[in-house]
Amino acid sequence: QKEVEQDPGPLSVPEGAIVSLNCTYSNSAFQYFMWYRQYSRKGPELLMYTYSSGNKEDGRFTAQVDKSSKYISLFIRDSQPSDSATYLCAMKSGNYGQNFVFGPGTRLSVLP
Amino acid sequence: DAMVIQNPRYQVTQFGKPVTLSCSQTLNHNVMYWYQQKSSQAPKLLFHYYDKDFNNEADTPDNFQSRRPNTSFCFLDIRSPGLGDAAMYLCATSRGDSRYNEQFFGPGTRLTVL
Repeated sequence: QKEVEQDPGPLSVPEGAIVSLNCTYSNSAFQYFMWYRQYSRKGPELLMYTYSSGNKEDGRFTAQVDKSSKYISLFIRDSQPSDSATYLCAMKSGNYGQNFVFGPGTRLSVLP
Repeated sequence: DAMVIQNPRYQVTQFGKPVTLSCSQTLNHNVMYWYQQKSSQAPKLLFHYYDKDFNNEADTPDNFQSRRPNTSFCFLDIRSPGLGDAAMYLCATSRGDSRYNEQFFGPGTRLTVL
């Protein structure tokens, strides 16, 4: 079992739809959770950062962490064609180590 | 704006010809990372520096080396590139403080090996 699992997609939705992107993980030591957006041939851009369980909202984006289920989600409301990109989840344990573990990414297409 | 800068954005090299990729940061972060990312895959950590302390991943080939001459700069040297080394190379930074765990990426260098 990989440490972080993520459905690679592609996921196609119509403009204006609510998008739900998910990752599951196996390491209960993970405490810090991130979502990155990566456009084609560009570097990942940090979208959301969450510590431990709970929700965090930023504009059209909401990140949820459920540590008991080892499951994290990113919701995008009122999706736009400009949201078309690959979304990577990443996570890190709370110890001194500096290693971030990434999921393989979900490719999202928002159709006008 | 504080940022992570990578040069060049695109690099073409020949099989076996050494190549150096450059990363600089204005964030004053303690930690700098190099990742390799192939198409439709997760970024794969090659190594990272915490200040001057070098941390190599166990499965990073010896063909890949890194230098960090100061806080702002970090280099990735590929001594003898093979066709399998063609990929996007991403540099990232983080503060390295247990309270602040965000990681910020540069735009990447796309390496082509002929």
